[in-house]
Amino acid sequence: DTAVSQTPKYLVTQMGNDKSIKCEQNLGHDTMYWYKQDSKKFLKIMFSYNNKELIINETVPNRFSPKSPDKAHLNLHINSLELGDSAVYFCASSQVRGSYEQYFGPGTRLTVT
Amino acid sequence: DAKTTQPPSMDCAEGRAANLPCNHSTISGNEYVYWYRQIHSQGPQYIIHGLKNNETNEMASLIITEDRKSSTLILPHATLRDTAVYYCIVRVDGGAQKLVFGQGTRLTINP
Repeated sequence: DTAVSQTPKYLVTQMGNDKSIKCEQNLGHDTMYWYKQDSKKFLKIMFSYNNKELIINETVPNRFSPKSPDKAHLNLHINSLELGDSAVYFCASSQVRGSYEQYFGPGTRLTVT
Repeated sequence: DAKTTQPPSMDCAEGRAANLPCNHSTISGNEYVYWYRQIHSQGPQYIIHGLKNNETNEMASLIITEDRKSSTLILPHATLRDTAVYYCIVRVDGGAQKLVFGQGTRLTINP
């Protein structure tokens, strides 16, 4: 069973479009994250949700809006896509109490043309 | 979170032990040392973490110096599948903490 899954794996779209990436975890964790890895391979946190509540919001344009319908899901919606949004987006989850390692999904490669 | 310094790249022969160093001279008393790795095109994978005692699990060993200013991740018998970028991260434990990734060390295991 896949612990953290993301859909789609690849996403190619044009500038100005709106797109969403979905993330689901079946680990029973109460915290989920979105990270962005750019072309230079730097991994940076974007958002974190704990029990459906936003707790980390790094300096991310407000075109990016995360939504957590329940503890097991954290989706990322991006409006008015720009060329600079091209990157690999990773979802992750962790438990707040006990062990704190984060489990990452396989990533979604977004290409904006 | 304290800053970490790692060599940009290392090579190791298959079957040998791979020793990956990390400097974290500004680490504070309540900060843990975490290691993750990222195999090409995959999501990062947790390896091990520790506070001040040496730690070992099925993947690796973590050796932390007595002054906690540096640590070494040891892969005892490296295989080709251990080729990856290895990240040393220092952070306070507890709560929903973000991971701050540096550039990491690109480890290449050679046959």
